[in-house]
Amino acid sequence: ETGVTQSPTHLIKTRGQQVTLRCSSQSGHNTVSWYQQALGQGPQFIFQYYREEENGRGNFPPRFSGLQFPNYSSELNVNALELDDSALYLCASSLGGNSDEQYFGPGTRLTVT
Amino acid sequence: QKEVEQNSGPLSVPEGAIASLNCTYSDRGSQSFFWYRQYSGKSPELIMFIYSNGDKEDGRFTAQLNKASQYVSLLIRDSQPSDSATYLCAVKLSNNFNKFYFGSGTKLNVKP
Repeated sequence: ETGVTQSPTHLIKTRGQQVTLRCSSQSGHNTVSWYQQALGQGPQFIFQYYREEENGRGNFPPRFSGLQFPNYSSELNVNALELDDSALYLCASSLGGNSDEQYFGPGTRLTVT
Repeated sequence: QKEVEQNSGPLSVPEGAIASLNCTYSDRGSQSFFWYRQYSGKSPELIMFIYSNGDKEDGRFTAQLNKASQYVSLLIRDSQPSDSATYLCAVKLSNNFNKFYFGSGTKLNVKP
């Protein structure tokens, strides 16, 4: 157990809808990164938040957005869902600063129909 | 060209043998390198990280980094059936950019 929690565990949405996924970081960690993992693939980096600011972004369109709150928990929002957005969404927390070691939550399985 | 490349496997080794997993990366300025283990249906679990050229050992695991060849490897000694999983190599790009790239993973099967 890493101490990183995510909700919900599973979610089914329809194409065109919007979804919000949530993540609580490990105690003492101020940095949260979000990843998308399609079946049979490695995680793809979406973005990272450090002390409530976006601190790096991968090659995802603007309809993927996020927030980090003062308690360092985080949300991932996806608008205008597409079928290809079906994946496991992972958040990972880290200490930030010079520490890059990330610890993953259990993930949210999103299915878009 | 992908940022991080791994052989998808499966790599099959007998119990007690050494498993050798390899990874290459494209960004010469990459600074941080990680190995994760992912069991089927679970999230990735950090095994080791390495920042400097050479070897780093932790129990049965040894990570090896060769920046000149842009190559990272993970050796698992005395492999156990419980080591059967997908092993993901991850790289953080140059320090100015907080971007992390994962390979697609190598599936390891350790046969009793």
